[in-house]
Amino acid sequence: GAVVSQHPSRVICKSGTSVKIECRSLDFQATTMFWYRQFPKQSLMLMATSNEGSKATYEQGVEKDKFLINHASLTLSTLTVTSAHPEDSSFYICSAKAEEAKNIQYFGAGTRLSVL
Amino acid sequence: GENVEQHPSTLSVQEGDSAVIKCTYSDSASNYFPWYKQELGKGPQLIIDIRSNVGEKKDQRIAVTLNKTAKHFSLHITETQPEDSAVYFCAVPFGGTGGGNKLTFGTGTQLKVEL
Repeated sequence: GAVVSQHPSRVICKSGTSVKIECRSLDFQATTMFWYRQFPKQSLMLMATSNEGSKATYEQGVEKDKFLINHASLTLSTLTVTSAHPEDSSFYICSAKAEEAKNIQYFGAGTRLSVL
Repeated sequence: GENVEQHPSTLSVQEGDSAVIKCTYSDSASNYFPWYKQELGKGPQLIIDIRSNVGEKKDQRIAVTLNKTAKHFSLHITETQPEDSAVYFCAVPFGGTGGGNKLTFGTGTQLKVEL
């Protein structure tokens, strides 16, 4: 299957700092990428949909100024958690969808964010 | 998003036995139904999917069955092995005609295969 690389896998930061997470599709062009958040022992919750060259679409209840998304190319999307606080600690996962592969999403390995 | 219910939440089987996980959904327009396996600390991995034009799809020890009338689909794992132990999620697309781009995930099933 298609490969999606997510970096970093783990980050620990102080409260108030910003953290950037990268998501790359390695062997295909991803017209759409998605960002999810997963709390322990819970399911994946969609945060936003990122389309190349346009503004991201955020799900209800997700602060767009808090979670900045940039999808500058067909292989890279970034999520920046701004002014992170302990309640932002979570497992963040990206996925990517190729234009020709209707509905199929391939996921990155996730980023464990711990805010102290 | 969609209303997706997944059962059971935990499932423990003996090695070699079969495991079945079921998902029900609400939007009859949905036409794509994937299953993901998530190991601890990792991202979900697509293991099998099915589209609404077929009722069953099989890939070695894994199969998915779909009942569009009843709006449910199931994951079947035969001859389970310890490495099958993980959390399994079903997902259903939403957000547009025919299901759209976005996925709503089920609540997950923790499968434990015991020796």
